[in-house]
Amino acid sequence: DGGITQSPKYLFRKEGQNVTLSCEQNLNHDAMYWYRQDPGQGLRLIYYSQIVNDFQKGDIAEGYSVSREKKESFPLTVTSAQKNPTAFYLCASNAGSDNSPLHFGNGTRLTVT
Amino acid sequence: GENVEQHPSTLSVQEGDSAVIKCTYSDSASNYFPWYKQELGKRPQLIIDIRSNVGEKKDQRIAVTLNKTAKHFSLHITETQPEDSAVYFCAAGLVGGTSYGKLTFGQGTILTVHP
Repeated sequence: DGGITQSPKYLFRKEGQNVTLSCEQNLNHDAMYWYRQDPGQGLRLIYYSQIVNDFQKGDIAEGYSVSREKKESFPLTVTSAQKNPTAFYLCASNAGSDNSPLHFGNGTRLTVT
Repeated sequence: GENVEQHPSTLSVQEGDSAVIKCTYSDSASNYFPWYKQELGKRPQLIIDIRSNVGEKKDQRIAVTLNKTAKHFSLHITETQPEDSAVYFCAAGLVGGTSYGKLTFGQGTILTVHP
C-alpha cells in the first residue's frame, strides 16, 4: 500500500535473536499502531503512539519494544523475551481525529525457528 | 477490558444469497463498530462502520445493524458475489482522539461465496 509501507514482507529468524520490523507512513498521520494477527484470534494491539517520542502499551506488549523518533516511522522490535513470536504483524495509522478510520499496511510475516 | 465475540467462524453461501455475520461486545462504553475485510495474505480494509448513535447504516450491498441494549452488531451482505470471499472482522472501540485505532477485534469469519 502506498500509504503505509511495511518491510520486509517475510522475515525469518532463529530463536533467541531480536528482530526489528519496519513501518513507514506518508499519510501525515499522527497516530500509529502495531497489531499482531494469529489464526483464529483476530487482531490484538501490541503498542500504539499518539505523537512523536510518545507511545503506550497495548493488550499484549510483553516481549516487544517500539520507538517513535519520527512522525513517519514506528518500528517494532520483537525481543527474545517474546515467547511465541511467529505471527503476522500489521502496522496501522490514523489521523487521530474523530473522523479518521484506521489504515493498515500489508503486514510482515515473521517466522522464528 | 473489551471482549468481542464473532460468529460464525466460517460461512459458505451460494452466489446471490445473503450473508450475515454477528458480533457481541462486553464493554457498554464502546461506541464505534467497524467491519474489515481481509483477503488472503493482504491487509485488512475497512468496509463499513457504525457509531452508537445510529441503529443501521447501508452502503450498496453492505449494511450494519447495531443493538446497543443487547450489545451486539451484525454485518449483512446481500446479493453475494465470488469476490466477496474473504475473512471479515468486526471490532469495537471508542470514538475520539486516537481511540479510533484502539480496537478490540473479533476472531474473524471466513466467508466463501460459491459461483
